[in-house]
Amino acid sequence: NAGVTQTPKFRVLKTGQSMTLLCAQDMNHEYMYWYRQDPGMGLRLIHYSVGEGTTAKGEVPDGYNVSRLKKQNFLLGLESAAPSQTSVYFCASSLSVLVELFFGEGSRLTVL
Amino acid sequence: ILNVEQSPQSLHVQEGDSTNFTCSFPSSNFYALHWYRWETAKSPEALFVMTLNGDEKKKGRISATLNTKEGYSYLYIKGSQPEDSATYLCARYSGGGADGLTFGKGTHLIIQP
Repeated sequence: NAGVTQTPKFRVLKTGQSMTLLCAQDMNHEYMYWYRQDPGMGLRLIHYSVGEGTTAKGEVPDGYNVSRLKKQNFLLGLESAAPSQTSVYFCASSLSVLVELFFGEGSRLTVL
Repeated sequence: ILNVEQSPQSLHVQEGDSTNFTCSFPSSNFYALHWYRWETAKSPEALFVMTLNGDEKKKGRISATLNTKEGYSYLYIKGSQPEDSATYLCARYSGGGADGLTFGKGTHLIIQP
């Protein structure tokens, strides 16, 4: 019973490099989210999706792109990483925002 | 209150004692209030989702209440155990799209044996 799986769990990048974080869920959820967690801050929404083929901007979308080509997968891309994107990234999924979110275990990204 | 605020930021409690903490939020445009338990090095796990004023929910030794008119929710832990040590997050959904879910910064609870 995998739930929400994020890969990779850890990554170190140099400024300007690109990378993609993958989130996969096996619960047939329509809603998927990417959050970032920084010290002293609450979880902040980067982008979200309300179904296959749809994406929308959250609170802090700049510098990130996303895609939801398959219902079970939500990809977060950094085209040109910056030190300000050093953070822990959490993916989540849910049936709707009126019910509980299921979170992945997080991906720690360091940009040097 | 403009944002979701949680107090206190951190809390040390003796094992066996009961404790509670607060989530305050704007009372306008309220749809739902979520509580999550987040252990270190793990992912947040849902405790409760409440939607109605006066809602009370319970899971084992943990319970929560909701007052949507005045904009607050309390989380109670009865007879704290070391395994209750975690950060407790609340989040308010104010409608619109999925970006209407706003998280507080959490209350970090440490249970001392």
